[in-house]
Amino acid sequence: GAGVSQTPSNKVTEKGKYVELRCDPISGHTALYWYRQSLGQGPEFLIYFQGTGAADDSGLPNDRFFAVRPEGSVSTLKIQRTERGDSAVYLCASSFGPPDLNTEAFFGQGTRLTVV
Amino acid sequence: GNSVTQMEGPVTLSEEAFLTINCTYTATGYPSLFWYVQYPGEGLQLLLKATKADDKGSNKGFEATYRKETTSFHLEKGSVQVSDSAVYFCALSGGGSQGNLIFGKGTKLSVKP
Repeated sequence: GAGVSQTPSNKVTEKGKYVELRCDPISGHTALYWYRQSLGQGPEFLIYFQGTGAADDSGLPNDRFFAVRPEGSVSTLKIQRTERGDSAVYLCASSFGPPDLNTEAFFGQGTRLTVV
Repeated sequence: GNSVTQMEGPVTLSEEAFLTINCTYTATGYPSLFWYVQYPGEGLQLLLKATKADDKGSNKGFEATYRKETTSFHLEKGSVQVSDSAVYFCALSGGGSQGNLIFGKGTKLSVKP
C-alpha cells in the first residue's frame, strides 16, 4: 500500500478483555516497530521486528503484551486482560532496515485504544 | 539509559515569528538525531535528521544542527506559518538504542494569523 495502515483506528474495550491491533507495513519493508503513545507523551518503544523475528522486545511492559509477524509483513499486537492503564494510541512504523544512517521509519496513524 | 528532553509547550507564536524548540539528549556512542512532526489528524512524519556531529538537517524552512559538545539538536525556523501548527517530537536512534527511536515528550506549536 501507499503507507503504513493500522486497523482499527479506534477500539473501545472493557477491562479484562482481549484485543488485537493490526499493522500493515509498507510493501517491502523488513523492519516493523510498535510504539505506545500516552496522552501528552512521546511515543514509547514496545517491540521491533526484523523480518519474522522480534529483534528487540525490551519495551513490552509485561507478559500481557505480545506481538507476532508470522510472514514478515503484517503484524498483530495482542493485549490480554486489558487494564485501564493500557489506554493509549498504539503506533506502528516500518522501514527498509533499522533506523540507522540511511533508512527512514514511516508511521501509521495509530489505533486509539480505550479501556473502560 | 538514552533519553531525549525537549522544551515543554504549548508554544504560541504569531505568523512570521522566529521559532526555536530546544532539544537535548543523553546517549552512549554516536546517535542519529531526528525531528518528527505530527499535524492535526495525521500520523508522525519525519521532518529532518542529522547523523553525525555538526551535521545540519533542514526541510520546509526548518533547521537543526547536531551539537555534540552541548548534546543538543534545537529546531529553528525563521518565519513560521499557520500551517506549521503541529506537535514536534525530537528523537534519537542508535547510540546504544538498538533498532528503535527514543522520543521526547513533544512540543505543541500553535501559530496565529
